[in-house]
Amino acid sequence: DQQVKQNSPSLSVQEGRISILNCDYTNSMFDYFLWYKKYPAEGPTFLISISSIKDKNEDGRFTVFLNKSAKHLSLHIVPSQPGDSAVYFCAARNRDDKIIFGKGTRLHILP
Amino acid sequence: DADVTQTPRNRITKTGKRIMLECSQTKGHDRMYWYRQDPGLGLRLIYYSFDVKDINKGEISDGYSVSRQAQAKFSLSLESAIPNQTALYFCATSDPRQGASNQPQHFGDGTRLSIL
Repeated sequence: DQQVKQNSPSLSVQEGRISILNCDYTNSMFDYFLWYKKYPAEGPTFLISISSIKDKNEDGRFTVFLNKSAKHLSLHIVPSQPGDSAVYFCAARNRDDKIIFGKGTRLHILP
Repeated sequence: DADVTQTPRNRITKTGKRIMLECSQTKGHDRMYWYRQDPGLGLRLIYYSFDVKDINKGEISDGYSVSRQAQAKFSLSLESAIPNQTALYFCATSDPRQGASNQPQHFGDGTRLSIL
């Protein structure tokens, strides 16, 4: 059973517009949610996180929103830039410190 | 220099062979992890170690074993490789003192393993 779900395998967005990547989860015991970015031939790199007690966290062009009642989080990138083209993984941390990853969404930023 | 180094970066081998993937880190982190990535399946945890004397199974440990030789080294072995173990393998480290709000896991650049 997938505890962290990214239902969109890919997403294309025009440069300069907003990119919105979505993630759903099933386990209400997760205490942190994280987003990682991955370029080809490289390992994932941490992007931004949010505690389960918050509903928004912002870092520059990146904002993560958490809706606990819907068990849904989203990553907003604005404005989108060519270097944002990558695979984005949503992840959630268990109370035992293990991190569960979603399947990823490939974001294409179009010129 | 990379903080988390995986060797080899690529490996092609035959069914039944024993394979060892190595991971070393210079971050001084106690916790180390092995994941595999398959197309369309994201990252799945194979084994993890919270310190030198601690080894734990992840969600897909069957067919794999690990050794934590030192704080800085964590190796993954496939005792008898099979084709469905063809995947991209990632090692990661973390420092629990940083907490999830900081960079919780640092990943190596991966090992692409093909079993023929």
